Amino acid sequence: NAGVTQTPKFQVLKTGQSMTLQCAQDMNHNSMYWYRQDPGMGLRLIYYSASEGTTDKGEVPNGYNVSRLNKREFSLRLESAAPSQTSVYFCATIPQAGYTEAFFGQGTRLTVV
Amino acid sequence: GQQVMQIPQYQHVQEGEDFTTYCNSSTTLSNIQWYKQRPGGHPVFLIQLVKSGEVKKQKRLTFQFGEAKKNSSLHITATQTTDVGTYFCAGRTGNQFYFGTGTSLTVIP
Repeated sequence: NAGVTQTPKFQVLKTGQSMTLQCAQDMNHNSMYWYRQDPGMGLRLIYYSASEGTTDKGEVPNGYNVSRLNKREFSLRLESAAPSQTSVYFCATIPQAGYTEAFFGQGTRLTVV
Repeated sequence: GQQVMQIPQYQHVQEGEDFTTYCNSSTTLSNIQWYKQRPGGHPVFLIQLVKSGEVKKQKRLTFQFGEAKKNSSLHITATQTTDVGTYFCAGRTGNQFYFGTGTSLTVIP
C-alpha cells in the first residue's frame, strides 16, 4: 500500500520549459489537492479536485493547470516554468471533502533556473 | 491571500520548556486540523477539532478550538528534541482546505 505517490522527487527546469508533476493514490479517496510550500508562506493551495471529473482553483493557480485523469491520478502542469515557481510541491488526498485528515505525498522539489 | 495565519513563525526553546502556537482564521471554520512536518518531510496529521470550545490532549500536546471556531492553539508541555519540526493548522471552507503559515519549532538540548 503506497498511499500517495508523487513523481518526480526532484526536478531542475530552465525558464520557459514545461513539465507535469504526477500524483497517484491507491486509497480510493475522492478529493485531491496540490500545494506549494515556500519558506515563511506555509502551504498554499494551487488547485484541488473535490471529486473525479471536477477541478477548481485555489489561492495561487496562475501559471499552473491540472488534470484529474481518473479517481487515482491528479497531475499538475507548468506550461512555461518561471523562477518564481521554484518550490516544494505536495499532493494531498482526503477521503471526501469533509471532516477527515489529509494524506500527503513525499513532495517534489522543483528548481527553475 | 492567506486566510489562516499562525504565530509565531519561529520559536526556539530550551528542552523542557513549554511551547505554544496560535492559529487565527478570517472566517468561521467547520473544523480545524493540526499537522506536524519534520525537516525534509511531509505534513503528517496530528488531530482534528470540530466542536466550539473543544479541547483534546495527546500526551504532552494540548489542542484547543475557540468558541467562535475562528482560532485554535497547540500547546506542548516540556518540549523534547523529538518535537522539532513545523506545526501547521488547517481549516476547511467549503471544499477548500487551507493551511496556516506554520510555526517552526527548534528545541535546544
